[in-house]
Amino acid sequence: KAGVTQTPRYLIKTRGQQVTLSCSPISGHRSVSWYQQTPGQGLQFLFEYFSETQRNKGNFPGRFSGRQFSNSRSEMNVSTLELGDSALYLCASSWNAGGNEQFFGPGTRLTVL
Amino acid sequence: GESVGLHLPTLSVQEGDNSIINCAYSNSASDYFIWYKQESGKGPQFIIDIRSNMDKRQGQRVTVLLNKTVKHLSLQIAATQPGDSAVYFCAENSITSGTYKYIFGTGTRLKVLA
Repeated sequence: KAGVTQTPRYLIKTRGQQVTLSCSPISGHRSVSWYQQTPGQGLQFLFEYFSETQRNKGNFPGRFSGRQFSNSRSEMNVSTLELGDSALYLCASSWNAGGNEQFFGPGTRLTVL
Repeated sequence: GESVGLHLPTLSVQEGDNSIINCAYSNSASDYFIWYKQESGKGPQFIIDIRSNMDKRQGQRVTVLLNKTVKHLSLQIAATQPGDSAVYFCAENSITSGTYKYIFGTGTRLKVLA
């Protein structure tokens, strides 16, 4: 069974631009969560989607948004990029929402110049 | 490789010795816990999990211990190997206002010395 895949793996943008990251969960998994990982803050929860609905959201500004499609694939979007948005963005999938094994993708490394 | 955390606590262990990595969690109502291993340039990899109705669970070369009284979790790695060098995170599945989310510890860097 293929693991969680994320595209692109690396991305370089400039301040003020926007970016869209994509995540394909493990086949059969319906929940997708997004995290931001930085050396200073560690792993921080962004949001979780289940059955195309956002179920939970972390403490990030409205510039961070996401969505989930009927095939459980998910995208996250960051608008008006800031230097501090440079991070590894990780997607994790699980078969159901809440309290289950969660498997991570390799991440997308975003650099904002 | 890319650095997961610049100021992580580091545990250095001789190859072949046992490693114990500790984690304190925050919510006494958390009922599910996972240990992850993250190697440089990769996403976290699931190692082992435990539910709050257990205090010990064993996998292959790994054991997780849960002490709910003091909100403490530990990961024991037997016969540590060079390939075990990585950053290890604990995660608690915390329920707030009826919804679950994972809260991750800051991580511990494990260095295996040859």
